[in-house]
Amino acid sequence: AQKITQTQPGMFVQEKEAVTLDCTYDTSDPSYGLFWYKQPSSGEMIFLIYQGSYDQQNATEGRYSLNFQKARKSANLVISASQLGDSAMYFCAMRVKTSYDKVIFGPGTSLSVIP
Amino acid sequence: DSGVTQTPKHLITATGQRVTLRCSPRSGDLSVYWYQQSLDQGLQFLIQYYNGEERAKGNILERFSAQQFPDLHSELNLSSLELGDSALYFCASSVEGGAGATQYFGPGTRLTVL
Repeated sequence: AQKITQTQPGMFVQEKEAVTLDCTYDTSDPSYGLFWYKQPSSGEMIFLIYQGSYDQQNATEGRYSLNFQKARKSANLVISASQLGDSAMYFCAMRVKTSYDKVIFGPGTSLSVIP
Repeated sequence: DSGVTQTPKHLITATGQRVTLRCSPRSGDLSVYWYQQSLDQGLQFLIQYYNGEERAKGNILERFSAQQFPDLHSELNLSSLELGDSALYFCASSVEGGAGATQYFGPGTRLTVL
């Protein structure tokens, strides 16, 4: 069965420092996509970054990068130079192409950036 | 702004009532997904439509139903509402191009059942 695990319920980081949010996944499907979403206190879900299972290089989007280790089935999000506006819930998600097509979300990690 | 619109933003109703949530996908997106986010259950996939056809069902209750119309907007109908149905309901859309197709979320509808 497909599953996403985020073992850090809450994280703190000093402003301007880098932080890594952990995500491990489980699937037997060879074709899948991994996503990270940010949910600030206002409630909207904001797409941050995507990594495909066949991608050779780690994805990067501005201050966000994804540390993809396929053999370990991990897809950690790295946020560099943290800003106060980065305080939010962060969800790791996986999409697999099975007989039905859906996205599975992890429980989320709450990140607080300290001035 | 993701380009996905949802109405209403907030909805307060009573137990036993029926409500309809509306979603318009991003221009060009054929696939619409509905999710329920509650404190105790996290983000749960409910149902997916692709170009008017139901594609996948998740943890959707029988009291809930959805449809996607020819103009690709979608509605989620919730009936015989219970207190436990109080949650944030998201609609998302994607191009539907395989495992890598990114879902873009709307702002959500916050449903409160009293």
